[in-house]
Amino acid sequence: DAGVTQSPTHLIKTRGQHVTLRCSPISGHKSVSWYQQVLGQGPQFIFQYYEKEERGRGNFPDRFSARQFPNYSSELNVNALLLGDSALYLCASSSWTGGPTGELFFGEGSRLTVL
Amino acid sequence: SQQGEEDPQALSIQEGENATMNCSYKTSINNLQWYRQNSGRGLVHLILIRSNEREKHSGRLRVTLDTSKKSSSLLITASRAADTASYFCATADYAGGTSYGKLTFGQGTILTVHP
Repeated sequence: DAGVTQSPTHLIKTRGQHVTLRCSPISGHKSVSWYQQVLGQGPQFIFQYYEKEERGRGNFPDRFSARQFPNYSSELNVNALLLGDSALYLCASSSWTGGPTGELFFGEGSRLTVL
Repeated sequence: SQQGEEDPQALSIQEGENATMNCSYKTSINNLQWYRQNSGRGLVHLILIRSNEREKHSGRLRVTLDTSKKSSSLLITASRAADTASYFCATADYAGGTSYGKLTFGQGTILTVHP
């Protein structure tokens, strides 16, 4: 079975542009989470979606948005890019249906560079 | 914001030696997990320990949890060059009656195992 797949793997944008990152979860997983990992730091939680509804949001500005589709794939959108948005964006899926989080399955990430 | 402090930030050892990494956290938790990341790629789940457990083993991995001290340790025995990676602890925080699929990660420990 395929793991979590993310696209694109690398991309370069300039300040002020918009970016869309995509994620396909493991088959059967209905929960998708997004994390931002700045170089040298641990991942920081951005969003969690479950059954197409936002179930959690981290401390990120409104420039960050996401959605989940009926097939449970997800998109992360970032508007008005800033230099500080340069990071590895990680998508994770899980069999979560409620309660405390168990094991997350991560994709390889999308590395965004903002110039 | 980062939940945990990991110690040490970097660890360099020889093959065959044991590696111990420590993690401290600040809030009440439901479980604590350890993940491994190779060279800025996706994270891989290693082990999960629940708040009512004190020790857990998986192959060459041993994890301890002390909820009174809000700390955990990861021991890798008989290390190999292939264990070279960054290791992160992550907590599933207890949030009263509200829970969602979020993990809060520490800053990570960079482990280098020399052949």
